[in-house]
Amino acid sequence: AQTVTQSQPEMSVQEAETVTLSCTYDTSESDYYLFWYKQPPSRQMILVIRQEAYKQQNATENRFSVNFQKAAKSFSLKISDSQLGDAAMYFCAYIDSNYQLIWGAGTKLIIKP
Amino acid sequence: SQTIHQWPATLVQPVGSPLSLECTVEGTSNPNLYWYRQAAGRGLQLLFYSVGIGQISSEVPQNLSASRPQDRQFILSSKKLLLSDSGFYLCAWSAIRRTELAKNIQYFGAGTRLSVL
Repeated sequence: AQTVTQSQPEMSVQEAETVTLSCTYDTSESDYYLFWYKQPPSRQMILVIRQEAYKQQNATENRFSVNFQKAAKSFSLKISDSQLGDAAMYFCAYIDSNYQLIWGAGTKLIIKP
Repeated sequence: SQTIHQWPATLVQPVGSPLSLECTVEGTSNPNLYWYRQAAGRGLQLLFYSVGIGQISSEVPQNLSASRPQDRQFILSSKKLLLSDSGFYLCAWSAIRRTELAKNIQYFGAGTRLSVL
């Protein structure tokens, strides 16, 4: 069965610095997609970035980038120039062949001013 | 553009009372629809998903049920709420195209915080 593991329940970073959130997953499939979602205090789930497994190039979206290591089944999120508005729960997710999202437990990101 | 509406935002219900949460999507047709529950400080648990009118798949057996009476309407119900039903409920939609898996990004509603007392 597919699983997604986020080993960091909580991370903190100084404003304007860089932080990396880790995510590992387990799957026997070769073609799949990975996502990072952000859930701010408002509780709405917002897509941050996605990665297609067949693409070797790491996805980037402005200050957000991923380090995708397919062989290691690792999918970490790097946030550069952290801002106060980045404070949120971050969830890593994997989409399986039935188009269902498998979610990690989340990492709470705290931004220190 | 597509939007998803979910209501109510908060709900306090006594144990044993019925429940009805509604979710509607605008600006798209034939969406996949999803109901998730999120316990405090936890990840999301998929409860139900639907690929079409009247087509409901249940992921977790419980006293909740879902219905899809219209293409863009998804309802989460219970006949008798339990204390354990308390949580944050999120509705989501995706535009499924089976030959374009990359397009299956899920977009979420604002959520409903349910407290069963």
